[in-house]
Amino acid sequence: NAGVTQTPKFQVLKTGQSMTLQCAQDMNHNSMYWYRQDPGMGLRLIYYSASEGTTDKGEVPNGYNVSRLNKREFSLRLESAAPSQTSVYFCASSESGTANSPLHFGNGTRLTVT
Amino acid sequence: KNEVEQSPQNLTAQEGEFITINCSYSVGISALHWLQQHPGGGIVSLFMLSSGKKKHGRLIATINIQEKHSSLHITASHPRDSAVYICAVRRSGGYNKLIFGAGTRLAVHP
Repeated sequence: NAGVTQTPKFQVLKTGQSMTLQCAQDMNHNSMYWYRQDPGMGLRLIYYSASEGTTDKGEVPNGYNVSRLNKREFSLRLESAAPSQTSVYFCASSESGTANSPLHFGNGTRLTVT
Repeated sequence: KNEVEQSPQNLTAQEGEFITINCSYSVGISALHWLQQHPGGGIVSLFMLSSGKKKHGRLIATINIQEKHSSLHITASHPRDSAVYICAVRRSGGYNKLIFGAGTRLAVHP
């Protein structure tokens, strides 16, 4: 099992460019998440998808859009990148959204916006 | 004030030492997670607990719900334990939206 796979691992964008971060999980999990990690701060939730066909905003959704393409895939799109979006992005999944569901993380995407 | 606070922020130890990392939180929770992030960046779930104590190998996690506090202990530390350890809590009654601490960076020297 690959677990949670994120692509790309690294990306450099110029201000105003767009890109999509891809995430796929092979564990048949219902819930998927996108987080960003900035120095000195805890992971912050951007968007999540409780189940296929649903998406909801997290703490820091501005400047991002998501698509839950099917049960396996959950993509994050930056329509017009800004330097403030320079961060490390993690995708995660869990079997459900309940208290007994541990999270499984991808290896992260390091994004730099110049 | 952050809802999840970890201490210390940075920790240096010699191989073999007993290590304790602390996590305090200010909200009602249904579960607390301890995660490990290695220098390569990947994040791995170590423990998920809602009461008492859990042990896995040299790692022990405890939680005191009344005091809103959890500790992660590493016995007989080894350089391969060098990583960032992250505490995260799930609010009571809420969906699986975790609140994360900023992490504790541990370096274990031979």
